[in-house]
Parts: sequence; structure tokens; C-alpha cells
Amino acid sequence: DAGVIQSPRHEVTEMGQEVTLRCKPISGHDYLFWYRQTMMRGLELLIYFNNNVPIDDSGMPEDRFSAKMPNASFSTLKIQPSEPRDSAVYFCASSLWAQGYGYTFGSGTRLTVV
Amino acid sequence: ILNVEQSPQSLHVQEGDSTNFTCSFPSSNFYALHWYRWETAKSPEALFVMTLNGDEKKKGRISATLNTKEGYSYLYIKGSQPEDSATYLCAHSHTDKLIFGTGTRLQVFP
Repeated sequence: DAGVIQSPRHEVTEMGQEVTLRCKPISGHDYLFWYRQTMMRGLELLIYFNNNVPIDDSGMPEDRFSAKMPNASFSTLKIQPSEPRDSAVYFCASSLWAQGYGYTFGSGTRLTVV
Repeated sequence: ILNVEQSPQSLHVQEGDSTNFTCSFPSSNFYALHWYRWETAKSPEALFVMTLNGDEKKKGRISATLNTKEGYSYLYIKGSQPEDSATYLCAHSHTDKLIFGTGTRLQVFP
């Protein structure tokens, strides 16, 4: 298995533009998580899905952020419009069963909004 | 939100030294405690998942213990090597999601 695949690895965009981050989880994993890494808060959970259904989006900072999981092999995190304070590394992780198994993280997308 | 605290925030040791870090977490409604190793410019990698009070896990020179009654876990590295330099994260399972601590950044000098 190629692991969790995220794209793009790096994204530089101008303030106000729409940004879409993509994630392909490990096949067979039924949980998918989006995290954001910042200096202030470390790894911050934004949203997670179980069997493609969003379970908890309480970590999504505001309405500019949205996430979808149209099928078991693909998820997107969209920011519209983007702002400089959104600059961070965004990680996607998947897990077979959240309680007893570790998460497998993707390589992350480093987003810079100028 | 259930806070996970890690200490120290950073640690500098000489090659060959043994070291340990602490993770404290809420002891009520415990499900599992995870340890991850996170190298710079890479993604976190799972080290251990512990679910039972008294659990001890070992992988090479790295080991971890768990006390769910008092809400803490220790991670030990015996004979630290420069390649052990990384941030070590612990995370507490709360329902279906993991709440991460901010990590202990370890730097091992040759």
C-alpha cells in the first residue's frame, strides 16, 4: 500500500483565492481525519469522517473551511476565501478503527497564503 | 476538549544518554493512549497504542508505560542516538478521535 497520499505537497496562493487540498486514505481504512499543524496549537483536529460520513467538524475554524468525502478513497478540504492566517501544514490521516489502532498520516500539504 | 499535556517541551541530550518524557491525560473515560514519532519535514509515525492500565510496550531502545488511573504515560529512550532526534507526540483517544499533545522535541547531540 502506498500509504495516505496527499496533494499538493506545497501550495502558495494569494489571499482571497480558493484552495483545495486532497487526500487518498489507505484502502480499507474506515476513518479519515484532517489535522492542521500550527506553532501555537500543534496538531489540531479539524474534522473527521467515518465510512465517508462527517462525524465531528467542531474543529473547523470557520465557514470558510469545508470538507467532503464523496467516496471511501477520496477526501477534500477546501478553504474559500483563503487568508494569510490559514498558512499551516495540513495533514490527512486514516485509521482502520480509531480506538485501538494508530493513525497513518499523509506527508502533509504546506499551505502559504500571501 | 480534553487536554493532553506533555513535558518537557524540549530536551537536549548527548549521544548515549537515556531519557524519558511524560504525557498526562484525563483519566476518566479512557480509551487508548498513542505515542507518535515525528521527524522534521516528515509525517508523524505511530510508535505505540496502549489500552490497558499497566501496559508496557517496547520497540528497540524505545519503551512506554501507561497508568490510566492517574492519567500518565512515560516514554523512555535508552542510549539515545542522533537518529532519535524528533518530536515525540502523545495522543489520547476521546470517543473516535485523537487529541494530541504539543509534543516533546528531542535533540540528541553526537
